[in-house]
Order: sequence, then C-alpha cells, then structure tokens
Amino acid sequence: SQQGEEDPQALSIQEGENATMNCSYKTSINNLQWYRQNSGRGLVHLILIRSNEREKHSGRLRVTLDTSKKSSSLLITASRAADTASYFCATDAVGSYIPTFGRGTSLIVHP
Amino acid sequence: ETGVTQSPTHLIKTRGQQVTLRCSSQSGHNTVSWYQQALGQGPQFIFQYYREEENGRGNFPPRFSGLQFPNYSSELNVNALELDDSALYLCASSLGASGGTGELFFGEGSRLTVL
Repeated sequence: SQQGEEDPQALSIQEGENATMNCSYKTSINNLQWYRQNSGRGLVHLILIRSNEREKHSGRLRVTLDTSKKSSSLLITASRAADTASYFCATDAVGSYIPTFGRGTSLIVHP
Repeated sequence: ETGVTQSPTHLIKTRGQQVTLRCSSQSGHNTVSWYQQALGQGPQFIFQYYREEENGRGNFPPRFSGLQFPNYSSELNVNALELDDSALYLCASSLGASGGTGELFFGEGSRLTVL
C-alpha cells in the first residue's frame, strides 16, 4: 500500500517557472525524502527532511514539512527543461526505517 | 552514478519460468532493498536485507525470495513468473537498516517482461 501520495499526478510548465509538488502521508514518520526518476531509469535522491525540521533547501530545491497536516511540498525554482522527470516522495513510518514511495508527480518543463 | 549496479538490464521470460536478478551495492553499504515498479506507478517495497538477514518484507508472495552475500551484494529470485510480474526491478543500497541517513542509492534497474 502507498504511504505517501503526490499531487498533482502531472504538471506541465514553461522553462523559468516554478514547479510545486505536494505529498501527503498517513502515519507519523521519522523522515521524508524526495527522489527524481528520469524515464525508465533508477531513482536519484534529492533531499531528506527529518520529522523535527520544517524547511530545507538544496540549490533550486526547497522542501517544507508540516507534520500536523502530514504533508510536504517540493518547490523547484526557475525550472529547466532538464528538470523534466517523475518526482516521488518517500516516507518511513515511526518504527520502520524502510522508505515507502508514492505514485509520483510527472513534471514536464517546456523549453 | 551511485555505484550500485544491476544485471541484467533487460530480460524476457515466459509465464511459469524463474528469474534471478543481481545487484552489487555501493562500497561501504551493508543494506540492500528491492523494489518493484510497474509502468506508471511508484516503487513498491519487496524486501530488505541487512548484513545477510531479511530485515523487512512488503506485500509480496513467497515466490519472491532473496539473498544477500557476505560482500553485501544481493539477488532477487522470482519463481513461477506471472504476467503481472512484468516491471522494472530496482535495487537500492544504504548504510545501516536503522542507522545512517536513510538515503537510498538506486541502481538503474532490471526491466523484466513476462510473456
């Protein structure tokens, strides 16, 4: 079963715009991670945010975590065509250290 | 490049056959997790091995089995293949089952097609 669910399922934007993806989850977590997957390839880790953190930055990425709402968002600023990929959130529930993935958001950035 | 290698990259089998997929973990990592990703879906957790012992299992039948070797490489075996087993099988290594950062380092996957 899916612990996290991303929203929207698909997002299409122009280069230079910002892209925001959301993740909701069901149970209390140790941490939440975001991964990126280019078509048919392996997943690449982007950023990890712990349950006691509220915001984290990495380059053009900004992740927020609201444990009271059991939700997270990933913001990609000044998007590029090379950002075109699927983005997944992964959570590991308290008591487990095994990341569980959502269905992902498919992002298309038009040049 | 994550340093995690999987083989084979692509393979085609028929229903009822058996398949073995292999994974070499990143240097220094003692934990390997296997995920199944159907087309258009997120990765589904199959099982995890930590220091050669199964450390957790997802909702997959017993015909999905695995091994981890002393060098921390791993195999995924699937018996009695079904059409629904067609998917991308992803191996991920990490440091420590309950320690480390929790970050997973993925290989490029093995694409299995069952006819």
